[in-house]
Amino acid sequence: GNSVTQMEGPVTLSEEAFLTINCTYTATGYPSLFWYVQYPGEGLQLLLKATKADDKGSNKGFEATYRKETTSFHLEKGSVQVSDSAVYFCALSVEGAQKLVFGQGTRLTINP
Amino acid sequence: KAGVTQTPRYLIKTRGQQVTLSCSPISGHRSVSWYQQTPGQGLQFLFEYFSETQRNKGNFPGRFSGRQFSNSRSEMNVSTLELGDSALYLCASSGQPNTGELFFGEGSRLTVL
Repeated sequence: GNSVTQMEGPVTLSEEAFLTINCTYTATGYPSLFWYVQYPGEGLQLLLKATKADDKGSNKGFEATYRKETTSFHLEKGSVQVSDSAVYFCALSVEGAQKLVFGQGTRLTINP
Repeated sequence: KAGVTQTPRYLIKTRGQQVTLSCSPISGHRSVSWYQQTPGQGLQFLFEYFSETQRNKGNFPGRFSGRQFSNSRSEMNVSTLELGDSALYLCASSGQPNTGELFFGEGSRLTVL
């Protein structure tokens, strides 16, 4: 079946630190991969996406590269800010379906 | 442009009752999906509607049902509530079919006592 595994949180970093949140997946077919973010008190928002192998999604300083050989889609940011504190979800959809399979989520806290 | 609106935001029910949750998608969006979010199971897909037709369904019992109206507004219903149905129910809409790019509402938090 299809599944997503994220690194367990919570993750606590200082401002301007480098961030990596690991995500690996198992899928039948050729999935599209996503990172969604949930800020406190808000709904989930799409952060970035990649639809095929070697694609790099990027937004707001965050990046993730679709690695088919390692079935991974790790989220990175070079210098985090306090405003990046949120819960981050890795997700996949298979064959263009609107049905998303989510990872468990990683809570990130950035301290000033 | 207004976002996805879910009502009610919070509700408390007792076991055996039924509940109806409502979702108004972003104007022009014809696809509406529902997800259940719990601390133990995370985010799980319930169903997706497009132009009043259910296109996909998750692995939930038949107590969970939904529908979509001609104006794209959607409702989901849970009958014979169980304690384990306590969760945040999220609605998402999409203007581009089959992309996985969803716009989520803030959710309806259901507590079953």
